[in-house]
Amino acid sequence: DAGVTQSPTHLIKTRGQQVTLRCSPKSGHDTVSWYQQALGQGPQFIFQYYEEEERQRGNFPDRFSGHQFPNYSSELNVNALLLGDSALYLCASSDSPGGAFFGQGTRLTVV
Amino acid sequence: AQTVTQSQPEMSVQEAETVTLSCTYDTSESDYYLFWYKQPPSRQMILVIRQEAYKQQNATENRFSVNFQKAAKSFSLKISDSQLGDAAMYFCAYRTIGGSQGNLIFGKGTKLSVKP
Repeated sequence: DAGVTQSPTHLIKTRGQQVTLRCSPKSGHDTVSWYQQALGQGPQFIFQYYEEEERQRGNFPDRFSGHQFPNYSSELNVNALLLGDSALYLCASSDSPGGAFFGQGTRLTVV
Repeated sequence: AQTVTQSQPEMSVQEAETVTLSCTYDTSESDYYLFWYKQPPSRQMILVIRQEAYKQQNATENRFSVNFQKAAKSFSLKISDSQLGDAAMYFCAYRTIGGSQGNLIFGKGTKLSVKP
């Protein structure tokens, strides 16, 4: 079982650009959540996808959008990048209340 | 809104000794889940232990155990026989039962150092 996989592992973008991050959930998991973790902070919930629909959303602007595919994999898109979007982006998958399983994250640097 | 507070930014423990990490939370709900996650330098968040609020018995996973005080809204993690591999950031997290799966609310974390 490969667990939760994310790509790419590192990314450098320029202000104003757009970025797409990808996540494959753990086998058998149908729910994918995305988190943003700024340096020295705990992860902050961005949104969650289930059955290809956004089910719940945290306090993030509309520049943050996502998608879930029929195979349960997911993408996080961020438009009009700001310096403050620099962070570790974590994807988590789950299929029960037993706790979420996380990927290794994508380190996004905006310059 | 629910909040999670970890008041110890950093902790240090001698190898083979015991250390306790503190966590408090605020919620008006009666049923919920609490978690401790470990984040080593590799960045991957690893689930250490889980507690269901409706269970009075404290959860235990090998060297890791919790002290869950529901009335005080306290959820501390005890690591016994500390090992060098335990060095990491530890995050306390909260999740409602009725809400969506995986929508975790995290504290700011405690950095644990283990001295040989």
